[in-house]
Amino acid sequence: AQSVTQPDIHITVSEGASLELRCNYSYGATPYLFWYVQSPGQGLQLLLKYFSGDTLVQGIKGFEAEFKRSQSSFNLRKPSVHWSDAAEYFCAVLIEGAQKLVFGQGTRLTINP
Amino acid sequence: EPEVTQTPSHQVTQMGQEVILRCVPISNHLYFYWYRQILGQKVEFLVSFYNNEISEKSEIFDDQFSVERPDGSNFTLKIRSTKLEDSAMYFCASELAGYEQYFGPGTRLTVT
Repeated sequence: AQSVTQPDIHITVSEGASLELRCNYSYGATPYLFWYVQSPGQGLQLLLKYFSGDTLVQGIKGFEAEFKRSQSSFNLRKPSVHWSDAAEYFCAVLIEGAQKLVFGQGTRLTINP
Repeated sequence: EPEVTQTPSHQVTQMGQEVILRCVPISNHLYFYWYRQILGQKVEFLVSFYNNEISEKSEIFDDQFSVERPDGSNFTLKIRSTKLEDSAMYFCASELAGYEQYFGPGTRLTVT
């Protein structure tokens, strides 16, 4: 069955530090992968997506993610976090044909000043 | 920038009552979705809607649930007889094409 795992429920980093949020997926075909961010009281905002081609994708707000087929991973990174990055981050895979997203559990990011 | 809107932001209802959650998708979008997130759990797919009919639904989306696009702008989710376990955040999403789904801020449904 298709699934997405985000192993870290909660991560705390200091402002200015680098960040990596982990995501592993299970999907039989070539995956379409997404990272969404949810700030308190807001909807899910698309940060970036991977469909094909270059395995390193750039997104909004200085985020990037790398698709590694051999590891079934799509980790999200940012070289230097800002206090405004504190939010919940969701990784998702699109189930083609059904046109539905399957989400991971989410990772809550806290930024220390 | 166009966005998906949802009303109300919070709905409290008694068990057994009917509720309608409303969404206004982005105006030129063609695909519409409902997802929900029970507190502490994953965001999970409920239903997708295209060309005025349901294109896919999950096992959660039983006969108690229905969706409608009554006037070409609103997209509604109706729960006929709410249960305690329906308490969740409900997200609407819309998509033009190309697999990018845009989400609304959600409606928190509390069933007492």
